[in-house]
Amino acid sequence: KQEVTQIPAALSVPEGENLVLNCSFTDSAIYNLQWFRQDPGKGLTSLLLIQSSQREQTSGRLNASLDKSSGRSTLYIAASQPGDSATYLCAALIQGAQKLVFGQGTRLTINP
Amino acid sequence: DAGITQSPRHKVTETGTPVTLRCHQTENHRYMYWYRQDPGHGLRLIHYSYGVKDTDKGEVSDGYSVSRSKTEDFLLTLESATSSQTSVYFCAISLGTNQPQHFGDGTRLSIL
Repeated sequence: KQEVTQIPAALSVPEGENLVLNCSFTDSAIYNLQWFRQDPGKGLTSLLLIQSSQREQTSGRLNASLDKSSGRSTLYIAASQPGDSATYLCAALIQGAQKLVFGQGTRLTINP
Repeated sequence: DAGITQSPRHKVTETGTPVTLRCHQTENHRYMYWYRQDPGHGLRLIHYSYGVKDTDKGEVSDGYSVSRSKTEDFLLTLESATSSQTSVYFCAISLGTNQPQHFGDGTRLSIL
């Protein structure tokens, strides 16, 4: 059974820092891995999707990497801003099943 | 976000009553999904649809049914609501199996 883990559960950093959020998964048989952000009381916003054949994807200040062999993905946020404060979730799409398996999320706070 | 509307946004009802949640999309995406989000469990897939009248179960489908009679609408029905179904329900859509999923803003459902 695929399990997705995000550590730490919460992270607080000062504005301007570069930071890395971690995501690990137990089964390397995935189609893709997707990163989302969720603001309080809101739905999920898709940030980046990395196909299983790719190593990384970039969008603006965000860079996501994928290492299937080690079962890890990271989301790098450059020059963090208070508006980046949110919960960040990763989710792996399992091969052979139409199912995204989500991590529990990392609650990120950027302090001005 | 991504042309997805969930209704109602909030609902309070009593145990044993039927409840129907609606997801409406304007993106003409083939795939539609229903998730529930609960503290300690994260997001879990209830049911999904891969076309009109084509649906399948997710990991927490007991007590729920779905219908999709038109591309744009995906209904989630709780035939006889129980307190354990108190949750936030999210609808998501995607173009294909290996494409990003985009989420609605959610329905907060309380069963008393």
